[in-house]
Amino acid sequence: DTGVSQNPRHKITKRGQNVTFRCDPISEHNRLYWYRQTLGQGPEFLTYFQNEAQLEKSRLLSDRFSAERPKGSFSTLEIQRTEQGDSAMYLCASSLAPLGWGSGNTIYFGEGSWLTVV
Amino acid sequence: AQSVSQHNHHVILSEAASLELGCNYSYGGTVNLFWYVQYPGQHLQLLLKYFSGDPLVKGIKGFEAEFIKSKFSFNLRKPSVQWSDTAEYFCAVREYGNKLVFGAGTILRVKS
Repeated sequence: DTGVSQNPRHKITKRGQNVTFRCDPISEHNRLYWYRQTLGQGPEFLTYFQNEAQLEKSRLLSDRFSAERPKGSFSTLEIQRTEQGDSAMYLCASSLAPLGWGSGNTIYFGEGSWLTVV
Repeated sequence: AQSVSQHNHHVILSEAASLELGCNYSYGGTVNLFWYVQYPGQHLQLLLKYFSGDPLVKGIKGFEAEFIKSKFSFNLRKPSVQWSDTAEYFCAVREYGNKLVFGAGTILRVKS
């Protein structure tokens, strides 16, 4: 399978614990995105990388969240001191960088990692 | 920042009925628009996209969408739905940086 791969697919953790999710994008894609989705809502943007550089972070991404893409390939999203409000599906996506406004490249999504904080 | 409104959260149709799902975005200028679909247990998949040119865009599986700039709309249509179209449908607009702003989604159930 050459799509976007995420693991673990499901994680149940106790409040206060740290969790880490991994994303492996489509191999030639230089853009990598993290989104969060809760029940009844569409995905919400968290952050994105171009190669190893983190170019933008949403205000949804509190200080307890950190994302890295150390070698410009896979990425990790860590949540420290989890809270019940962090329960959601965390989606990773990847694309080629657009050549300009209007050229756009399709963003491909992974299957997501479900987090339940109890 | 853009926002996206999807008019119906749940739609139930019988097979062979026609489908139209509404989508409005908040402000104009140059926009790139998308419809994604999420089948039960699967990941988000692109149905179709609009960047420029013909405002009537055709996508996969017989879906199409019409961009109406004056109405800030990008409604999704299909002339005759099938049971296999049961899924959640998301409209999205691209913001600077190629990130997407999604609507809340419409859950479509097609009765066989």
